[in-house]
Formats: sequence, structure tokens, C-alpha cells
Amino acid sequence: EVQLVESGGGLVQPGGSLRLSCAASGFTVSSNYMSWVRQAPGKGLEWVSVIYSGGSTYYADSVKGRFTISRDNSKNTLYLQMNSLRAEDTAVYYCARGVRILYYFDYWGQGTLVTVSS
Amino acid sequence: SYVLTQPPSVSVAPGQTARITCGGNNIGSKSVHWYQQKPGQAPVLVVYDDSDRPSGIPERFSGSNSGNTATLTISRVEAGDEADYYCQVWDSSSDHFNWVFGGGTKLTVL
Repeated sequence: EVQLVESGGGLVQPGGSLRLSCAASGFTVSSNYMSWVRQAPGKGLEWVSVIYSGGSTYYADSVKGRFTISRDNSKNTLYLQMNSLRAEDTAVYYCARGVRILYYFDYWGQGTLVTVSS
Repeated sequence: SYVLTQPPSVSVAPGQTARITCGGNNIGSKSVHWYQQKPGQAPVLVVYDDSDRPSGIPERFSGSNSGNTATLTISRVEAGDEADYYCQVWDSSSDHFNWVFGGGTKLTVL
């Protein structure tokens, strides 16, 4: 059974850093492309970042230069390092497994809340 | 960047048919995917590649896509279908890849 479990969210001050984790089971993270998608309170879904099986990474313009996506194949875990956090980064962050060719997400984690506030 | 437009809300009585639209420039040339999200829960894929259903999704959920509009159709609506619904496409027209979501439609079952 495919499962994605996020952790690492919390309250952080503006300008601070946080690292999110997404532990996967039931499949191999490095064999798929994986993304982070966020949802601000009361708002819609926003794609944040992707890491492909080959290791290439891409980011939404809103986080480029501040966030870094990575994975640890030995732990089958996806990460999102978030630096220089802003109030507008406050959101529930979901990790999601992507499906090749058609580019949709077939499995999502339960999400972890990041609150950026002083 | 590519923009997807959804109506903020759709209301329907139980047993009736709900249609949720997703507008985009020549969206008929793209593959459209739909997610259902209930309060406090993660999104769930209900339709992919315009009209295919993942295993476990009822046949009441169907999709179509042509021209500038994609549509998610929910037949014989039940109270449990009340949720937010998001359309999504993959946009490679800009200088990098981008997964684009519509703004979401809240389905209310009267």
C-alpha cells in the first residue's frame, strides 16, 4: 500500500528556516517524480517543487532561490528545505507522487502545516 | 503562465447531476485531471487524462474536455460528494515545467 507521511511543520518567524520531510512506503521515491504542493488557509492548491527520478529539480517562481527539494534514497524520504520564509509561505504542505507522461498526482500525504509569523 | 478558471461554487440537489467547469486557453489540447478535497483532508484524484477514473472512484464521476473548457460531471449526486474540486494541467509552454491548478469549486449538496 502506498503511503506518504509528512512531518516537520510548525511555527517559524519571518526570515527563518524549516525542513519538511515526507516518508514514503509501498513504492520507491527515486523511481518516481515527487512534488510538494501547498495550500494557504482557505485558498486553493499551488504547486511548489518537483524532483524527477533522474534528480532534476524545478521550482515555482514564488519559492525559487529560497526552497530546495531533495531526497534520501536510503531512507525513501523526500525533503523540502525552506529558507528565508515569508508570511505568504504559511500553508499546509503536501507531498505527492507524480505519474509520468500525463503529469498528475496519484497519491498525496496528509499534509503538514507551516505557519510563518512573529 | 497558463491560467485555469473554475466557478467558485456549484449547488445541486441530491440525485441530480453536477457539472463543474474548468476554462483555459485551448485546454482541449491538454490532459486535464480532477481532484476532490474534503475539509481537513488531502486531495484525492477522481479523474485523470480528461475522462479516466482511478480504481475505487465511482462511475458517477466522469470528465470531458474540448475547446476551451473541461468539465467534471458527477451524476446522482450524494451528500458525501460535497467537497472542493480542483482541475489541474501540466504546462510546458513557459521556460520551465509547471503544474497548474484551477482555483477550486465548492460543491454544495442542497
